[in-house]
Amino acid sequence: ILNVEQSPQSLHVQEGDSTNFTCSFPSSNFYALHWYRWETAKSPEALFVMTLNGDEKKKGRISATLNTKEGYSYLYIKGSQPEDSATYLCASRGGSQGNLIFGKGTKLSVKP
Amino acid sequence: GAGVSQSPSNKVTEKGKDVELRCDPISGHTALYWYRQSLGQGLEFLIYFQGNSAPDKSGLPSDRFSAERTGGSVSTLTIQRTQQEDSAVYLCASSLWKGGSYNEQFFGPGTRLTVL
Repeated sequence: ILNVEQSPQSLHVQEGDSTNFTCSFPSSNFYALHWYRWETAKSPEALFVMTLNGDEKKKGRISATLNTKEGYSYLYIKGSQPEDSATYLCASRGGSQGNLIFGKGTKLSVKP
Repeated sequence: GAGVSQSPSNKVTEKGKDVELRCDPISGHTALYWYRQSLGQGLEFLIYFQGNSAPDKSGLPSDRFSAERTGGSVSTLTIQRTQQEDSAVYLCASSLWKGGSYNEQFFGPGTRLTVL
């Protein structure tokens, strides 16, 4: 059984601040790490799928890193905007097929 | 449509009644997943369909829960004799086999189930 942990649980920042969240997962039997962004009343939106140790991915102001040996991933948001307000979920997958094991998410609120 | 769709978007039911939740995956996606999020919890895996293989039911919380996928496309999640602890947002996702694995899962908007 995989346990995926995310911290912090919630975060309140001012517009323009940069921020980061942590996702930790068991490093054994690791295949892929997924980050999703989930806005209220919308579908979770895929941000990144990462598989290789040391991998770094970037999408606009959002980037993520992966350390599979120690079992953690960081998500960074540079210059937060109010539209970044959402719950950020990470999920681990133990094989090329099968379900995702999700953390409880980090809820980000960005004040104008 | 291009995305995963789910219906209904909201369902309020009385304890003890049966409910059916529907998922239309993205056309051509051979894998389909059901998850749920209860209040204060993370997304919890329920069941997974892959092509014509037997589904992985390991996440279903009790025998009151069942799901089927007809013709490799539409899926229905059925909850019999609903209980208040079944109240949650039920999410469906689909995925395409590509490059030797299933990669990104595309999610629907969910069905919010409230059991009174």
